[in-house]
Amino acid sequence: EAGVAQSPRYKIIEKRQSVAFWCNPISGHATLYWYQQILGQGPKLLIQFQNNGVVDDSQLPKDRFSAERLKGVDSTLKIQPAKLEDSAVYLCASSSRYRANYGYTFGSGTRLTVV
Amino acid sequence: AQKVTQAQTEISVVEKEDVTLDCVYETRDTTYYLFWYKQPPSGELVFLIRRNSFDEQNEISGRYSWNFQKSTSSFNFTITASQVVDSAVYFCARMYYTGANSKLTFGKGITLSVRP
Repeated sequence: EAGVAQSPRYKIIEKRQSVAFWCNPISGHATLYWYQQILGQGPKLLIQFQNNGVVDDSQLPKDRFSAERLKGVDSTLKIQPAKLEDSAVYLCASSSRYRANYGYTFGSGTRLTVV
Repeated sequence: AQKVTQAQTEISVVEKEDVTLDCVYETRDTTYYLFWYKQPPSGELVFLIRRNSFDEQNEISGRYSWNFQKSTSSFNFTITASQVVDSAVYFCARMYYTGANSKLTFGKGITLSVRP
């Protein structure tokens, strides 16, 4: 099966600019996750969708970050305006709703550099 | 927060050496799942192994083996006869459920360098 697709692979922007990342999960996976991985740290969950509804966004900085999952398939994560501390790898993952305990499948991530 | 602790930050070994990566977790749950993921330079997190809280049987899968001990809340991972391609960052992770929703939290990772 095709993996989790993410784009772009790399992005460099200036602070206060906006940026958007795209994710296409594995076909049929109802649950989609966005993680932020700052250099030298483990991934941290930003937001979790079940189909097109938000399940958990408790760690999403809502003043600047937003995410949507239209039609319960693709998802977009946006940052506006970006800050220097947003420099990180943004990982998208997906899982089957009833087999999440077998692990998530991760994409290759988008590496964001804010200068 | 219930943490996953990977006390080692960087390990360097020579090819063919065995290496053990340590992981200690906190949990208040009876049912949970433990994972090891590998992150090569390409950036993708690759699933390696999984263990549920009810099964403390330790296993070997090829060059990988793991030691799960609930009494010490540890889930250590061993690579036997390491190879240069094993060089990567390794993450231990714990999954628990809140209602019907899973939560996967990660440790900070261990950078493994295997020298030829």
